[in-house]
Amino acid sequence: ETGVTQTPRHLVMGMTNKKSLKCEQHLGHNAMYWYKQSAKKPLELMFVYNFKEQTENNSVPSRFSPECPNSSHLFLHLHTLQPEDSALYLCASSQDLGGHQETQYFGPGTRLLVL
Amino acid sequence: DAKTTQPPSMDCAEGRAANLPCNHSTISGNEYVYWYRQIHSQGPQYIIHGLKNNETNEMASLIITEDRKSSTLILPHATLRDTAVYYCIVREGTGRRALTFGSGTRLQVQP
Repeated sequence: ETGVTQTPRHLVMGMTNKKSLKCEQHLGHNAMYWYKQSAKKPLELMFVYNFKEQTENNSVPSRFSPECPNSSHLFLHLHTLQPEDSALYLCASSQDLGGHQETQYFGPGTRLLVL
Repeated sequence: DAKTTQPPSMDCAEGRAANLPCNHSTISGNEYVYWYRQIHSQGPQYIIHGLKNNETNEMASLIITEDRKSSTLILPHATLRDTAVYYCIVREGTGRRALTFGSGTRLQVQP
């Protein structure tokens, strides 16, 4: 148990659906991240938030829309996804950005399948 | 951030020490060495990190060479539950960028 929870753990959705992934951290951290891990590929950083402000967007398509209402919660809103978006979506948090305060703690992930 | 090179896979016998190497020959003075692991279909787990000195915690030891161009993660008594992909990551200590994961080393602990 890392103190980072993600729901749902598994999600199947059609290409016309809208769904949201939720991440919550109970560690008092200020920074939160979304990563994508496709089959047989390295982790890809998608978004970074620090103190609720987005600090990094790694050219992620607009069909992925993050939301960070406070430092403890992070959402990833999904709409009109493609089958190639099927992947494990991981949330992480760290005390801060930069330096050794950036030890990241990961949630268990949401396994997404787009049909 | 400096690039790292790790062998794609390694085997280790249960109960023996697992020594996982990482080359980071372009590391600069303010870059830390981090190790994470990912057990199949789970989120990555932080193991240990260091700057210059060797480090030890309850999970592992990190040995960094004097020139800092390579490091070794040591799991002193590997168990079957240590079977995972191990990632060596080098990043700047003062930058504001997040960690970048490469392909890692797939460690298979054999019974």
